[in-house]
Parts: sequence; structure tokens; C-alpha cells
Amino acid sequence: TQLLEQSPQFLSIQEGENLTVYCNSSSVFSSLQWYRQEPGEGPVLLVTVVTGGEVKKLKRLTFQFGDARKDSSLHITAAQPGDTGLYLCAGAGVSNYKLTFGKGTLLTVNP
Amino acid sequence: GAGVSQTPSNKVTEKGKYVELRCDPISGHTALYWYRQSLGQGPEFLIYFQGTGAADDSGLPNDRFFAVRPEGSVSTLKIQRTERGDSAVYLCASSHQGQGSPLHFGNGTRLTVT
Repeated sequence: TQLLEQSPQFLSIQEGENLTVYCNSSSVFSSLQWYRQEPGEGPVLLVTVVTGGEVKKLKRLTFQFGDARKDSSLHITAAQPGDTGLYLCAGAGVSNYKLTFGKGTLLTVNP
Repeated sequence: GAGVSQTPSNKVTEKGKYVELRCDPISGHTALYWYRQSLGQGPEFLIYFQGTGAADDSGLPNDRFFAVRPEGSVSTLKIQRTERGDSAVYLCASSHQGQGSPLHFGNGTRLTVT
């Protein structure tokens, strides 16, 4: 069974601060995805990383896939209240269609 | 364009009753997935359809759960003899082809079993 551990589980910061969220596993994934979920809504895909060591940037968000494709991180620069939400990482195994999700990091950015 | 639509958005039922949850995927998406998200948890895989057939139903918890997609579009998740532990948000997602294609999630159906 593939498991993804996310940390921290909860994060409350002030507007303008930087933060990093981690996603770790003992399993190798063929790809890893990051989603953002708001209350009452489904997860929305932010990025997919496929290659070990890959770094992708999406405005103030930087995503990194570990060299061994077992872990990933999400770094947000100068967080804004609009960044508030549940951030989920999800790994795809060999089948590449079944996603294993972490429990998520609930981020609150206070104005 | 329209996204993935799930109905109802909320469903309250009594223990032991039968429920059906509906998912309308994005038009043209051949792959459809059901996930279940309990409070404080990430979504858990239930079943994956490619076209009309269930390609992988290994995530269904037991034989009280069943899902169909008879025409390769709309899907229905059926739960018999509901139990309080079935209470969760049931999420549907669709993708263009399946393997490696981005998932588009609906807003889910919140099921509460009393």
C-alpha cells in the first residue's frame, strides 16, 4: 500500500510570509500532483510533476519533485489570503490512473 | 464549458436505507473516477471507469457499494444498507483519456447517514 505523509497538517500564517509544505513517501511514484481544495468544492489541480528533480513554478508557487520520486514540496512566496485552502498531494503509481492522496495541509493566510 | 456535475449536493439518509449518487462528467471525457473523502482526510480511490466498463473497482469497501456507467457518460454510485460509517463526501472526477490525463473533480455529494 502506497502512503503519502503531508506536513504540516495545519499552518496559519500572516499575509506576506513564505511557507513550505512537504509530501513524503517510502514509495516511488510515476508522477505526483498537487491540488488545492476549498470548502464545499472538489480539489483543483495545480501542477503535475513527472521527472525526478523537476521544479515547476506557478506564479508565487514553486513545486519540486524529489530526485528519487518519493517526495515533493510546495513553496509559496509572499502568501496572500486568497491562498487559503486545503493543499493535497497525490501520487500516481505504475497504473498512472489511480491516485493516492495525502491527508492535506490546511493553510490559513491571515490579512 | 460545464464542469463535472454531481447530484445531489447533500443527502441525508437513515441507517439501512439505499442511496444513489449521480455524476455527470465533462462531455467527451472517457475516464470517470469515484473517490470518497472523510472528514480530515484526503480523497480515497473507489472505482475507475474507462468508457462503460469498470477498469478497476479495487477501492470499493465492500459489496454494499456498486457503480455503473451504462452509456459511457453519466455514472451512478449505489450504496445499499447504508451505515453511519459511510458518511463522507463522495467525489466524482473525469479525465480526457485516463492514464496520465489531468483529473477534473466535481464538488461532491455530502452523504450523512443518521
